[in-house]
Amino acid sequence: AQRVTQPEKLLSVFKGAPVELKCNYSYSGSPELFWYVQYSRQRLQLLLRHISRESIKGFTADLNKGETSFHLKKPFAQEEDSAMYYCALRGASGGSYIPTFGRGTSLIVHP
Amino acid sequence: DTAVSQTPKYLVTQMGNDKSIKCEQNLGHDTMYWYKQDSKKFLKIMFSYNNKELIINETVPNRFSPKSPDKAHLNLHINSLELGDSAVYFCASSRKGGERNYGYTFGSGTRLTVV
Repeated sequence: AQRVTQPEKLLSVFKGAPVELKCNYSYSGSPELFWYVQYSRQRLQLLLRHISRESIKGFTADLNKGETSFHLKKPFAQEEDSAMYYCALRGASGGSYIPTFGRGTSLIVHP
Repeated sequence: DTAVSQTPKYLVTQMGNDKSIKCEQNLGHDTMYWYKQDSKKFLKIMFSYNNKELIINETVPNRFSPKSPDKAHLNLHINSLELGDSAVYFCASSRKGGERNYGYTFGSGTRLTVV
């Protein structure tokens, strides 16, 4: 079975502080991992894909297979980063690809 | 152009009614999904269709029935609505399930309130 765990429901920081949103996964194969962001009352938007090794809006995420983690990081948080962040895994099951989302972490950046 | 569009955006209805939510994508994707986001923001997959064929059907009451007339549309029909069905329902699409590294494109959601 595949599982995504985001241990923090809420993360509260001040503007300019570093941010790390934790994500751990459980999957027996080679995972595809993503981070999605949902601003207040808006649709979910793809933020990062692990394969791309990209930096979007100052966020980065590195896949650590040894620790089965895909933490999202940003060195200096901005107020506009306040949103709900979801870690997601897409793994194969019975010939289909099943998307699984974590429970989400609400990030609040105070001025 | 909206890539994944859902209608209606808001839906308020009484218990026991039957309602439908429509979803359309113009991305040429082969796979479409319905997700339910509850009041605690927990996002759970309900159904997935690939080229009009049901491929994921999670533990969802029989009152929920997806219908895919073509690969660009995936509608959700709900019978005998209950208070616990109140949630935001998101439609999403992706390229066919076998391709790696493509994420999901989400609709803007339908906020369903059952009174």
